Amino acid sequence: EDQVTQSPEALRLQEGESSSLNCSYTVSGLRGLFWYRQDPGKGPEFLFTLYSAGEEKEKERLKATLTKKESFLHITAPKPEDSATYLCAAAGNTGKLIFGQGTTLQVKP
Amino acid sequence: DAGVTQSPTHLIKTRGQQVTLRCSPKSGHDTVSWYQQALGQGPQFIFQYYEEEERQRGNFPDRFSGHQFPNYSSELNVNALLLGDSALYLCASSLPGNYGYTFGSGTRLTVV
Repeated sequence: EDQVTQSPEALRLQEGESSSLNCSYTVSGLRGLFWYRQDPGKGPEFLFTLYSAGEEKEKERLKATLTKKESFLHITAPKPEDSATYLCAAAGNTGKLIFGQGTTLQVKP
Repeated sequence: DAGVTQSPTHLIKTRGQQVTLRCSPKSGHDTVSWYQQALGQGPQFIFQYYEEEERQRGNFPDRFSGHQFPNYSSELNVNALLLGDSALYLCASSLPGNYGYTFGSGTRLTVV
């Protein structure tokens, strides 16, 4: 069964303190690995799509990377406005987009 | 360009009642997926509609049903509501076979 697991569940950082979020996946026939950002009471907002091991994508202070079993979302010098829940999702041969439980990030000034 | 629109934004229902949630996809998108998100959890896939037919379904009972209309809008129906159905219901639209989903802001359903 396809599965996506994220760690840690929650992360508190000081402004400027870089860190990484982990997403482990078990998916048959990976078609894509996706990162979303979700603010409280809102729907997920698309950030990145990764298709193959070794691929990297960047956007402002965020960089997503992909291996054959994991994806990482690196946050460099975060700001308070980066506080949100970050969701990882994977799509495989089933055609379903399966989400992890998310990592809630809090960045303190 | 309008994104995904969901209605209503909030809803309170009593156990045993039935509810209908509505979704209008992003302009140009013809595939609609529905997700249930419990508090503190990731979204769980309910089902996906394309060409007015259910194409994929997650592990949800038959109490959950849906419909897609010729204009690509969609409805999610839940019968015999349980307290455990309380959640944020998310609609996402996309092009066929494309997982770059655009999500709506969701409908917050509370069952009392």
